[in-house]
Amino acid sequence: GAVVSQHPSWVICKSGTSVKIECRSLDFQATTMFWYRQFPKQSLMLMATSNEGSKATYEQGVEKDKFLINHASLTLSTLTVTSAHPEDSSFYICSAEASGALSGETQYFGPGTRLLVL
Amino acid sequence: SQQGEEDPQALSIQEGENATMNCSYKTSINNLQWYRQNSGRGLVHLILIRSNEREKHSGRLRVTLDTSKKSSSLLITASRAADTASYFCARRLDSSYKLIFGSGTRLLVRP
Repeated sequence: GAVVSQHPSWVICKSGTSVKIECRSLDFQATTMFWYRQFPKQSLMLMATSNEGSKATYEQGVEKDKFLINHASLTLSTLTVTSAHPEDSSFYICSAEASGALSGETQYFGPGTRLLVL
Repeated sequence: SQQGEEDPQALSIQEGENATMNCSYKTSINNLQWYRQNSGRGLVHLILIRSNEREKHSGRLRVTLDTSKKSSSLLITASRAADTASYFCARRLDSSYKLIFGSGTRLLVRP
């Protein structure tokens, strides 16, 4: 089946540093990937839609200069949290929509990355 | 907020009982999907139901969709302790790839 990986699975960093999270589709190509964040005991909130070869589309209220997204290939999207602060501590989850033969309505989710900013 | 509402927020049942979770939304949809999330983990896709479908089954799972009432329900029959998790509905809007998640139901199945 379609597998999406995320790296790292967890990260602890100091306030003010930048953190990069990778999202990879392992056995399929993904023209579109999505980034969500989830606070404890809350639902997933869509942050942005990442399109291969073009700029990401950010949801209202999400700072594009704070959360940099790069979708350089059909199997990799990265989210960089710049100048991270404690309020950015959260669970970040990516998903990928398959293209080509596997395309359909299902998004495949990564296992998530837990970020803790001290 | 575009988030849909789910109820109940939390549900505690005995193993063997059925669990029903409901999801309501406001805008028209292309399809509605149910996901499961174990604590601190990623999401597992359970069932997708399209806007022109009314009911779908998968093993012990039954999903219904009432587009006139803009609501869906997930029924888990003969629950097991391993079903303990959070369950989210997510709707795909008509002309968008985006999934909008509901608030979720935390299910606890007591052995």
